[in-house]
Amino acid sequence: AQKVTQAQTEISVVEKEDVTLDCVYETRDTTYYLFWYKQPPSGELVFLIRRNSFDEQNEISGRYSWNFQKSTSSFNFTITASQVVDSAVYFCALSEALSSSGGGADGLTFGKGTHLIIQP
Amino acid sequence: DADVTQTPRNRITKTGKRIMLECSQTKGHDRMYWYRQDPGLGLRLIYYSFDVKDINKGEISDGYSVSRQAQAKFSLSLESAIPNQTALYFCATSEWTGNTGELFFGEGSRLTVL
Repeated sequence: AQKVTQAQTEISVVEKEDVTLDCVYETRDTTYYLFWYKQPPSGELVFLIRRNSFDEQNEISGRYSWNFQKSTSSFNFTITASQVVDSAVYFCALSEALSSSGGGADGLTFGKGTHLIIQP
Repeated sequence: DADVTQTPRNRITKTGKRIMLECSQTKGHDRMYWYRQDPGLGLRLIYYSFDVKDINKGEISDGYSVSRQAQAKFSLSLESAIPNQTALYFCATSEWTGNTGELFFGEGSRLTVL
């Protein structure tokens, strides 16, 4: 069975610092997808990124970057020059692809989330 | 308008009452899901449905039931609510073909059971 571990329950940094949120996953499948979602204080879930298991290229989107390493089963998320608006709970999630019924048949498996606090 | 709509957004009820949370979607997706979020526990899957004739239990289905009334509608019921069902509930959808597993979430329904 798949599992996602976010060992950092809460991180607090001062604005403009860089911060990395860790995500480690377990799966038996060779084809899978990894996700990050942001949950601001208002409560909705905001999709940030999807990465498939065959694409280990790191990705950068503005101040956000993601480091995917299959060798360590990790998919870490870094925010550069953090801002107060980045304060939120961040979830890492995993979906296993089933060849017969399409990917993510059973939905996503989520980590427990990391509460990121950016202090002004 | 949101692609995935949940009603009600907030509800306070008493122990023993029957509660229904409704979800409707305009994305045309076949798959629909109900998740529950508790502080420090992340999101856990309650039920999911591949189409109107297919309902599956998730990780924490005890105390809940669902109904897939149409492709676009998926309701979650608590037959006799209890305080430990106080949580934030999310409905989600995903595609069938070429599915990567990405979920599209509603805005959440906050339920408080007194």
